Amino acid sequence: EIVLTQSPGTLSLSPGERGTLSCRASQSVSSNYLAWYQQRPGQAPRLLIHGTSTRATGIPDRFSGSGSGTDFTLTISRLEPEDFAMYYCQQYGGSPWTFGQGTKVEIK
Amino acid sequence: EVQLMESGGGLVKPGGSLTLSCAASGFRFSDAWMSWVRQAPGKGLEWIGRLKSKVSGGPIDYAAPVKGRFTISRDDSKNTLYLVINSLIIEDTAVYYCTWHLTVSGYMDVWGKGTTVTVSS
Repeated sequence: EIVLTQSPGTLSLSPGERGTLSCRASQSVSSNYLAWYQQRPGQAPRLLIHGTSTRATGIPDRFSGSGSGTDFTLTISRLEPEDFAMYYCQQYGGSPWTFGQGTKVEIK
Repeated sequence: EVQLMESGGGLVKPGGSLTLSCAASGFRFSDAWMSWVRQAPGKGLEWIGRLKSKVSGGPIDYAAPVKGRFTISRDDSKNTLYLVINSLIIEDTAVYYCTWHLTVSGYMDVWGKGTTVTVSS
């Protein structure tokens, strides 16, 4: 099973700042099949990025994904108030599919 | 618009069984890969399992912790996905989400709002 470790656990930033979230895999993720989800309090998760860097439909271009192999990054270029939430990475390159433990982006 | 509506959650005693349903609309359900994901209170996301379309074929994949107790199935005539949970334990307490895969791949494009299962004596 591929274990995903997200860091930091909590990221404290101000609106307008840049946020960089990390997701590290215990082994290489096949075909860089790595997705990112956003979850606001009391809501279901929402797909942001798949295939490491492809934004899902309707996702603003301030969200971008990068990486390969075992190291992946989600970058939020300028934080908007609605971006303060939990973020999870997920790998689907190997079975079972697994999620990271999450990074909370909070207002500083 | 793609919509997923889970139901069937509630308070159940340890050792009991429960069937969750997910009513789908807005897409060709019979062609879709579907998954269940759960989230324990205050915790992260845990993938439970995935059911491919009949056309894709292949076995249902389950996460190791739930294999043998959880069963995923579908009724394409009713556009409905099911999750049967047997021998419920306290640790099964969670919000259970139904998810839809737009393509035959592992990322989950659309999530339902979830249904809450509480296991307690």
